[in-house]
Amino acid sequence: DTGVSQNPRHKITKRGQNVTFRCDPISEHNRLYWYRQTLGQGPEFLTYFQNEAQLEKSRLLSDRFSAERPKGSFSTLEIQRTEQGDSAMYLCASSPRGGTGELFFGEGSRLTVL
Amino acid sequence: GNSVTQMEGPVTLSEEAFLTINCTYTATGYPSLFWYVQYPGEGLQLLLKATKADDKGSNKGFEATYRKETTSFHLEKGSVQVSDSAVYLCALTKWPGGSEKLVFGKGTKLTVNP
Repeated sequence: DTGVSQNPRHKITKRGQNVTFRCDPISEHNRLYWYRQTLGQGPEFLTYFQNEAQLEKSRLLSDRFSAERPKGSFSTLEIQRTEQGDSAMYLCASSPRGGTGELFFGEGSRLTVL
Repeated sequence: GNSVTQMEGPVTLSEEAFLTINCTYTATGYPSLFWYVQYPGEGLQLLLKATKADDKGSNKGFEATYRKETTSFHLEKGSVQVSDSAVYLCALTKWPGGSEKLVFGKGTKLTVNP
């Protein structure tokens, strides 16, 4: 499967714990995006990378959230001291160099904070 | 800021019925417009797009026309099938004048009954 891969697919954690999600984009795609989607809402932009550089961060990305893409390939999204309001689907997408405007999405990682 | 407004769902239709899902946008400049679809258990995927005024995007029998005068990009299909049951999301981006960062509407859930 050469699509965008996200792991884990589902994470259940207790309030206050840290969680980390991983995204493997389509090979050779140089841009990588993170979104968050809550029930009944459209995805909201969190951040994006071009190669290893983080070019934009949303104000939604509080100090508890950090994203990295150290070698310009896979990316991680870490949430520290989780809160119940962090429960959501976290989506990753990638796009190729040059681009067509299309983002290629993974199936998402669902976070449930108890 | 840029935003997208979609008609509220859910929408329930019988097979072979005509479908319209309304989408209007607010944006500076000349955005590109997209419809993404999310089938149950799958990731978001591009359905169709239009990059300039009066362009018509089409795919799988779905169509949408970029209307700058009414800031709209309504999705239509002449005869829906059960397999079209999904969530449909309208989105805009500054691409090609900027990144592919998408701003989404809330989504409209469509259920087609046999």
